[in-house]
Amino acid sequence: DAGVTQSPTHLIKTRGQQVTLRCSPISGHKSVSWYQQVLGQGPQFIFQYYEKEERGRGNFPDRFSARQFPNYSSELNVNALLLGDSALYLCASSTRLPSTDTQYFGPGTRLTVL
Amino acid sequence: GQQLNQSPQSMFIQEGEDVSMNCTSSSIFNTWLWYKQDPGEGPVLLIALYKAGELTSNGRLTAQFGITRKDSFLNISASIPSDVGIYFCAGFRFLIQGAQKLVFGQGTRLTINP
Repeated sequence: DAGVTQSPTHLIKTRGQQVTLRCSPISGHKSVSWYQQVLGQGPQFIFQYYEKEERGRGNFPDRFSARQFPNYSSELNVNALLLGDSALYLCASSTRLPSTDTQYFGPGTRLTVL
Repeated sequence: GQQLNQSPQSMFIQEGEDVSMNCTSSSIFNTWLWYKQDPGEGPVLLIALYKAGELTSNGRLTAQFGITRKDSFLNISASIPSDVGIYFCAGFRFLIQGAQKLVFGQGTRLTINP
């Protein structure tokens, strides 16, 4: 079975631009979470979606938004990019909510903002 | 910000040596997880701990969930070159609406000298 997939692998943008990152969860998983990992740190929680609804939001500005589609795939959008948005963006999927099932991570999208 | 304190931040060892790293928190977690992250990849789950006092092994890896539920440790025995990477501890934090997020430590970077 395929794991969590993310696209694109790498992305270079300039300040003020907008970016869309995509994620497909493991087959059968209905929950998708997004994390931001700045170089040298652990991942930080951004959003969690389940059954196409936002169920949790981390401490990120409104420039960050996301959505989940009927096939459970998800998009993360970031508007008005800042240099500090440069990071590895990770998507994780889990079976359902609420649950103590673990979250499985994709390979991430490396975003560089110039 | 980060709520889990992970130590040491980095380790330089000889191949074949045993490794020990730990994670502490000021608050209780009901589930502790240990992940390994290779360069350019997403975190991969190594061990999940669900009960206070639980000791779980996965091959050469052993992890324990502290009695107070505020700490955990990970041991790697007889290290080999493929153990190189960054190890993260993480705890589940439940949010409203049944959502859950992972809170990560800062990571322990393991380097092995052949």
